[in-house]
Amino acid sequence: GENVEQHPSTLSVQEGDSAVIKCTYSDSASNYFPWYKQELGKGPQLIIDIRSNVGEKKDQRIAVTLNKTAKHFSLHITETQPEDSAVYFCAADNNAGNMLTFGGGTRLMVKP
Amino acid sequence: DAGITQSPRHKVTETGTPVTLRCHQTENHRYMYWYRQDPGHGLRLIHYSYGVKDTDKGEVSDGYSVSRSKTEDFLLTLESATSSQTSVYFCAISEWTGTGGRNEQFFGPGTRLTVL
Repeated sequence: GENVEQHPSTLSVQEGDSAVIKCTYSDSASNYFPWYKQELGKGPQLIIDIRSNVGEKKDQRIAVTLNKTAKHFSLHITETQPEDSAVYFCAADNNAGNMLTFGGGTRLMVKP
Repeated sequence: DAGITQSPRHKVTETGTPVTLRCHQTENHRYMYWYRQDPGHGLRLIHYSYGVKDTDKGEVSDGYSVSRSKTEDFLLTLESATSSQTSVYFCAISEWTGTGGRNEQFFGPGTRLTVL
């Protein structure tokens, strides 16, 4: 089955700096790669996703890049703000597309 | 926010007792999922459902069973709870349209279960 690894497990940045979270996956048949943000005491919420026919996608301060050959994808957050502090999860779908496998999560702390 | 509720939100129980967690949706989505979240492991899939009475196992299904008798409700049962099942449980829903579609999943608020 699919295996998704995520790094780093914790990341501390100064407000205004950029943050990068990286994930690798094992199943070359995966086609859909979402990123979720989880705030304390809440369920994860989708913040951006990318499909395998696209190399990069951007939404305001958030961008995701995908390298299918190397089987890795990354989340980039620019101009970080304290409200970006949360746990972020990457995921990849299985070859049937009906399930997601999640990475272990990254706790991002943005210091004012 | 997607209309997903989970009950109870918190539960403390003893080893060996049965426990049922409920997920209720108002979105009429076809797919429903149960995950458990543990530190360092992210979210791991327990079971999922692709329609009424249609369910399948996920990565960590041992010790868990599920049922879906109505589109809106997906129940997770721990027949005899163990301390290793102490976790936060999340339900998710999706209107996945098939191969090539985006399996965007919407998560409920979670249930914190403690097994003593």
